[in-house]
Amino acid sequence: DGGITQSPKYLFRKEGQNVTLSCEQNLNHDAMYWYRQDPGQGLRLIYYSQIVNDFQKGDIAEGYSVSREKKESFPLTVTSAQKNPTAFYLCASSWASQYNEQFFGPGTRLTVL
Amino acid sequence: AQSVTQPDIHITVSEGASLELRCNYSYGATPYLFWYVQSPGQGLQLLLKYFSGDTLVQGIKGFEAEFKRSQSSFNLRKPSVHWSDAAEYFCAVGNTGFQKLVFGTGTRLLVSP
Repeated sequence: DGGITQSPKYLFRKEGQNVTLSCEQNLNHDAMYWYRQDPGQGLRLIYYSQIVNDFQKGDIAEGYSVSREKKESFPLTVTSAQKNPTAFYLCASSWASQYNEQFFGPGTRLTVL
Repeated sequence: AQSVTQPDIHITVSEGASLELRCNYSYGATPYLFWYVQSPGQGLQLLLKYFSGDTLVQGIKGFEAEFKRSQSSFNLRKPSVHWSDAAEYFCAVGNTGFQKLVFGTGTRLLVSP
């Protein structure tokens, strides 16, 4: 089945540690995205990538980093510089042309203790 | 910059009753608009989308939405709600050029017996 996988579903880390969230898609989509979701705030864009080896900052990129070495993979690293990292993180992908909807993965809930 | 407002944080509807979820957008050009649904702890699923043409759009699970340019609205409707419709609903507007989406803060639907 084609789709987007995110792992792990739940992640616990101590404050000050970097952590990497995985996102893989087998839809052959060009573009991939990372969103952060907090209660009552909807989804906020962290980073996005239209093609391999290229990515752009979204609205809340500070304290996060990404890479796009393969078309199907777009890992997100939450660094110790992120002041409030506890949140639900969603990965999405789409064709890179206009008018195409984004498909979402199941999400990773990160809790920093 | 574009924005999306979902004025209702929570809505409770009796099973079998009709539903309307409100969405207002701010965008200078012709927008493209989406409604997504999210079950607790899950990713987002696309219900329907509007790009152009007929202003009444049909989606999955019996949902429909109407684009009203004069009111800058894209309200979601369903004639008869089922208990399985209980979830959080997000309206989103697309950016020009590349597909960056701006999401509303969501409306949580509760279905009473």
